[in-house]
Amino acid sequence: EAGVVQSPRYKIIEKKQPVAFWCNPISGHNTLYWYLQNLGQGPELLIRYENEEAVDDSQLPKDRFSAERLKGVDSTLKIQPAELGDSAVYLCASSPGGKTGELFFGEGSRLTVL
Amino acid sequence: AQSVTQPDIHITVSEGASLELRCNYSYGATPYLFWYVQSPGQGLQLLLKYFSGDTLVQGIKGFEAEFKRSQSSFNLRKPSVHWSDAAEYFCAVGGANDYKLSFGAGTTVTVRA
Repeated sequence: EAGVVQSPRYKIIEKKQPVAFWCNPISGHNTLYWYLQNLGQGPELLIRYENEEAVDDSQLPKDRFSAERLKGVDSTLKIQPAELGDSAVYLCASSPGGKTGELFFGEGSRLTVL
Repeated sequence: AQSVTQPDIHITVSEGASLELRCNYSYGATPYLFWYVQSPGQGLQLLLKYFSGDTLVQGIKGFEAEFKRSQSSFNLRKPSVHWSDAAEYFCAVGGANDYKLSFGAGTTVTVRA
């Protein structure tokens, strides 16, 4: 069974440029999460989807961050414009059910903003 | 509010020695508790989880953890560490009616020969 796939693995951009990250969850997993992981920190939830609906985006900085999950499968997280403080790892995770359970994580997308 | 504290930022252990990683949580109801491991450049992998029942839970790679409600702790242990156990370990808490996991800041484990 394929795991959670994320791309790109690494991205280096200059500040004020846009960037997008893509996630393909495990087949059949209705719940998809985007987490932010700063260096030396644990993951922090940005947004959670149940199918195509964003049911918790309270931690997403909506002035520059956006996300979508068209057709309830793949998801894209976008930052526009990027700031220096956005340098971090962006983790995508999926789970088969909505309630707390095991999350399956992708390898992450490491963003460096210069 | 839910939160997790991992008091040890970095632990160095000799190969073959035992390992214990501490985790203290704060949660207003019955907690669901998890330990994840993250190797360099990799995503997080679940080691074990506690939902209910026996307070000593077994996980993958020879790890176990013990839930102590009175101490709000969920410490992770391994009797004999292998060099491949060098990684970062995260404790997380959620709940039965919750949709969100809160992670600790992690403990980095270094294994010396």
